[in-house]
This record gives sequence, structure tokens and C-alpha cells, in this order.
Amino acid sequence: DQQVKQNSPSLSVQEGRISILNCDYTNSMFDYFLWYKKYPAEGPTFLISISSIKDKNEDGRFTVFLNKSAKHLSLHIVPSQPGDSAVYFCAASGNNDMRFGAGTRLTVKP
Amino acid sequence: GAGVSQSPSNKVTEKGKDVELRCDPISGHTALYWYRQRLGQGLEFLIYFQGNSAPDKSGLPSDRFSAERTGESVSTLTIQRTQQEDSAVYLCASSFKQGNSPLHFGNGTRLTVT
Repeated sequence: DQQVKQNSPSLSVQEGRISILNCDYTNSMFDYFLWYKKYPAEGPTFLISISSIKDKNEDGRFTVFLNKSAKHLSLHIVPSQPGDSAVYFCAASGNNDMRFGAGTRLTVKP
Repeated sequence: GAGVSQSPSNKVTEKGKDVELRCDPISGHTALYWYRQRLGQGLEFLIYFQGNSAPDKSGLPSDRFSAERTGESVSTLTIQRTQQEDSAVYLCASSFKQGNSPLHFGNGTRLTVT
């Protein structure tokens, strides 16, 4: 029962360009959405979040967009840097838990 | 300050043996979660604790899996009669409250069942 889906397992972009990571969810009870970044041998670290009352949240190079009608969110990173290379997990939270997508491996090439 | 601490960082065990994984959450965090990540897959929810409420065990894959938490402190995840498919990284996370609050993850325990 995958309530949060990241359909692209990997993404490769050139340094300085925009990275766009996508996420879809199925449960309309979700009201809080997050992106986490994960390096090998480490736990995921929180990157940015958005509440369902908003459609955009920006923090420096990172912007999260939420389209509730489409049950879709995306993470934009601009400009992308080689240090951004990691696995990015989308997460959604509702009443009592937090569900994660399968992750997208981002590679930023110098 | 100290983050979420998990031990051991690596565990190799023989099929059929029991294992116990430990998580020390961030002090003051009332919510605690366990997730599992199999190789090449996403984070699979296992169980979460919120204060003194009954835990949500809906993600535990079988009755071989159990977890305990003492108050708002340490949690242990126990896997009995381990199977090879239990091999994964087990991640613990904590937060101030359930719901709209980011989770803070430990570095995980890599479990290998031979």
C-alpha cells in the first residue's frame, strides 16, 4: 500500500542547473509534507516542509510546491551543486504517522 | 546537542536467532518511530510511540517483530527467529510530537541475517 510515490528512482543534472524532484500521494488526509535528504550510511535529514494550507515554501535554493488537487508535490533545487548529490525522500503526514516514498537518487555533475 | 542514537550500528546474526536493536531519542521528544529500509527500497513504516498512548503497531510485518518504549526514553525493537528477508537498515526517528513536526533520524542499524 504505497501512499507516497516517487516514480523516478534517479535524476542526473549539471551543476548550476535546476533539479526537480517529484512526488505523488494518494491519501487525502495527509496535511503536512516534507522532503528529506539522505547520504550513505547516515539517517535521513530534514530539508524542507510545507503545510497543506500553502502551495509553496521556499528556503534558500530549495523550494517545495504543493498541488493538492493533483495530490502532487515537487522539490526544486536551483542552482544545483555537486554537494546536493544524495537520495531525496518525500514524506507525508496525516493523523498519526509519516509515510515515505521510495526515494530519488540525485546526481549533480560538476 | 545529542541527536538520535542507535546501537549497534551493525549487526550480523544467524538465521533463527533473536536480535534486539536500541534507540535513544532526543531528550524531550515524545514521538518515536521505527522504519526499515531494505536494499534499494524506500522507508517502510514499522511502529510509532507517542507519549504514554498505545503504540501504533500497524506496520510491523509479522508477530516476530515487537517494540517497547519506556516512557519517553529508550526504545528497543526485537526481532525473533530472524529470517534472511529481515536483512535491512533499521532506522529510528523522534520528534516533539506526532503529525506536523519533522522527524530526526538516527544513523540506523544495519542488520544482516546469514
